Amino acid sequence: QQPVQSPQAVILREGEDAVINCSSSKALYSVHWYRQKHGEAPVFLMILLKGGEQKGHEKISASFNEKKQQSSLYLTASQLSYSGTYFCGTYSRDNDMRFGAGTRLTVKP
Amino acid sequence: DAGVTQSPTHLIKTRGQQVTLRCSPKSGHDTVSWYQQALGQGPQFIFQYYEEEERQRGNFPDRFSGHQFPNYSSELNVNALLLGDSALYLCASSLTSPFYEQYFGPGTRLTVT
Repeated sequence: QQPVQSPQAVILREGEDAVINCSSSKALYSVHWYRQKHGEAPVFLMILLKGGEQKGHEKISASFNEKKQQSSLYLTASQLSYSGTYFCGTYSRDNDMRFGAGTRLTVKP
Repeated sequence: DAGVTQSPTHLIKTRGQQVTLRCSPKSGHDTVSWYQQALGQGPQFIFQYYEEEERQRGNFPDRFSGHQFPNYSSELNVNALLLGDSALYLCASSLTSPFYEQYFGPGTRLTVT
């Protein structure tokens, strides 16, 4: 089952903040966040592990609520380069990665 | 350090034909996963290979098959192509565990006419 992402799309001005949410009905081992720009491959941003460990880009922060199987990606002081589609991927006991439908982020000057 | 590479970049095939896509993982990675991404959608998991065996499979028909070689590179084969198989096919490599991030290749754009 795919994780559910919200919102589907968001438009920001440079410098504004955004939060993207991801929720799953399954017990998760890890949550992965990726950004994909048009015509390019998804780029790894952050991984959050069951137990609290996380790895990723220092300018991006995220949280993982293991009880609710929810994760949020926090984009602060957004830059034009943050524009793209953000996907969360969830890894459960089924041992495969399931991606959400994506959140399209547009940052305007 | 070379990242994940895929070939070819683009491919046009006719309905009913067969296609083979190739992937070389990032150095040091032993696990390869394949995804299908339709326009405007998230990647859909096809299958994952580790130690030359298919470890997990998504909801794709048997027309989709794969292989992993001893050097960890991998192939995705699709038989009896349908128009609906037109998509971007992404390969991702990682260390074998849900606790490691996946790195994606640039993808192969397959068009079935």
